[in-house]
Amino acid sequence: GESVGLHLPTLSVQEGDNSIINCAYSNSASDYFIWYKQESGKGPQFIIDIRSNMDKRQGQRVTVLLNKTVKHLSLQIAATQPGDSAVYFCAEKRKGAGSYQLTFGKGTKLSVIP
Amino acid sequence: NAGVTQTPKFRILKIGQSMTLQCTQDMNHNYMYWYRQDPGMGLKLIYYSVGAGITDKGEVPNGYNVSRSTTEDFPLRLELAAPSQTSVYFCASSYPPPARAYEQYFGPGTRLTVT
Repeated sequence: GESVGLHLPTLSVQEGDNSIINCAYSNSASDYFIWYKQESGKGPQFIIDIRSNMDKRQGQRVTVLLNKTVKHLSLQIAATQPGDSAVYFCAEKRKGAGSYQLTFGKGTKLSVIP
Repeated sequence: NAGVTQTPKFRILKIGQSMTLQCTQDMNHNYMYWYRQDPGMGLKLIYYSVGAGITDKGEVPNGYNVSRSTTEDFPLRLELAAPSQTSVYFCASSYPPPARAYEQYFGPGTRLTVT
């Protein structure tokens, strides 16, 4: 598979525990944020998004928290499973930018220990 | 639906050679994108298209060209390959605004090595 996991921060979590993956974004004018999951050898897959007028959004087993004061985004995965092992990265869109103008973070590699 | 498909999956090129990376989507998405992903780095936009016949440069377009003759296909052309173009290339597509335009669907990637 691709070597996208090299040189990335790594988070190791016991199966069944909750995972928290963090992302610091750069632009206070960003108004939309997305979390992607990238499994080894595959393309990124959309997980969840949040607009800047929200603090929290929940999906199936995932929650995204947005702290605009410190420009911080987090992805919480409940009851982490082996299938959650992947690289997770956030993307931000600046206010007024087009859909092609997403800025992607470098990612965090999540390893789930069975 | 097959979603976004890319060919080839892997390719080794010699310096100065040319090739075309193929990308096809069957979701009738107007918007399509080409990204490159270097180890430990975020995705960088190479080119994008908002519809057939319309393309524009992204953040890192040098050394690449694209065309969009149909809604489904968005090939990426590398002319005079250089070692700096060694990377994993992803094609993506999305609906136009306002319908979930930022939810991009990605292909499986093409791993290119230039030696």
